[in-house]
Amino acid sequence: GAVVSQHPSRVICKSGTSVKIECRSLDFQATTMFWYRQFPKQSLMLMATSNEGSKATYEQGVEKDKFLINHASLTLSTLTVTSAHPEDSSFYICSAALTGEGNYGYTFGSGTRLTVV
Amino acid sequence: AQTVTQSQPEMSVQEAETVTLSCTYDTSESDYYLFWYKQPPSRQMILVIRQEAYKQQNATENRFSVNFQKAAKSFSLKISDSQLGDAAMYFCAYRQTQGGSEKLVFGKGTKLTVNP
Repeated sequence: GAVVSQHPSRVICKSGTSVKIECRSLDFQATTMFWYRQFPKQSLMLMATSNEGSKATYEQGVEKDKFLINHASLTLSTLTVTSAHPEDSSFYICSAALTGEGNYGYTFGSGTRLTVV
Repeated sequence: AQTVTQSQPEMSVQEAETVTLSCTYDTSESDYYLFWYKQPPSRQMILVIRQEAYKQQNATENRFSVNFQKAAKSFSLKISDSQLGDAAMYFCAYRQTQGGSEKLVFGKGTKLTVNP
């Protein structure tokens, strides 16, 4: 149980275009979801926290207008990279908070490798 | 802000042997959660083990166990009978709560190599 599905797994886009990444909780309701960015051989860097029905909270240094996050339902959060540039190329991972009794923790999507050419 | 420190960028172990990965953290909270996550080459983050700070008993999951020293703010992971499939990046993480919100704070990770 508690599976998060993230799509696409890989995407290549042209510089200046936008790309949307979806994160779905398959068998539970995710009130809170998180978006991370991971550079090669580095740890996960939290970009923003999204709560269903409200605006996302962005970490310091993350451009809100560039990385648009929408969490319109309890099972779907999306990250849209707008006007992508090569420096946005990275591995993006979503995560959902689990709050069930005895099941507290976080489950992660399988990640999206974004390449901007 | 809470910080998580993993002082071992890389570790190696022989198959069937035991290895311990270190993690220390800094917090002023009294109740919190700590996690170890594994990230194999597929890059899927997999929960290895979870510890609730108010529980004095160290968490165990099959071959994985922790040595949780609350006063020392230490949370090491012991992998017994290491297997080739244990080779991965291991991240220690602390659940930070602040102003009604929460987030995971990760250490920089330890790359574990398992030698046959």
